Amino acid sequence: LAKTTQPISMDSYEGQEVNITCSHNNIATNDYITWYQQFPSQGPRFIIQGYKTKVTNEVASLFIPADRKSSTLSLPRVSLSDTAVYYCLVGDINSYDKVIFGPGTSLSVIP
Amino acid sequence: GAVVSQHPSWVICKSGTSVKIECRSLDFQATTMFWYRQFPKQSLMLMATSNEGSKATYEQGVEKDKFLINHASLTLSTLTVTSAHPEDSSFYICSALRVGRGWRTGTRDTQYFGPGTRLTVL
Repeated sequence: LAKTTQPISMDSYEGQEVNITCSHNNIATNDYITWYQQFPSQGPRFIIQGYKTKVTNEVASLFIPADRKSSTLSLPRVSLSDTAVYYCLVGDINSYDKVIFGPGTSLSVIP
Repeated sequence: GAVVSQHPSWVICKSGTSVKIECRSLDFQATTMFWYRQFPKQSLMLMATSNEGSKATYEQGVEKDKFLINHASLTLSTLTVTSAHPEDSSFYICSALRVGRGWRTGTRDTQYFGPGTRLTVL
């Protein structure tokens, strides 16, 4: 299981773009990168997943450089409702292996 | 798609009683489900991996006789906290693994989480 490192917390003003970077120096060839969002007293919600380059969906973008040793979750024009904890997870696509949650990044959006 | 439900959403019980929590994958089948526990302001801690038709695999430090897991069908796993005590009070979250179609099509196995169950033991 590749270990991940993220900032513990971040603050941002409403309307700004937020970029949260995750380091995963030991990522393996078959590993995908997945991001989850968790609000207090709720289960984590799947945001986005990628293997390389850039992935975009209706809520976020995920940028992965060629060496795949890091990834950046980009949230465009955040609102107060984006205040949550964001987890970066790395795992093997061909495995039913468990994933281990790190402490995540607590994002606070300020009016 | 990929909806996972949990029941109940919250439960309060007396010390010494047993509590059962259900986890269901509503629109996909899940051979594998996971159970997590989360204390306030902490990350999720994996308790066990539940596989349909076989015994669960528990993480180190988790008492299997206290936290009974049954994965009786491809859409249902249950966690029973036996003889609950106040220190078992926590937020319990399950997830179900939806199998992807592999790297060639760009999808992989992904865990989808339930909304969680708040257990309070008095």
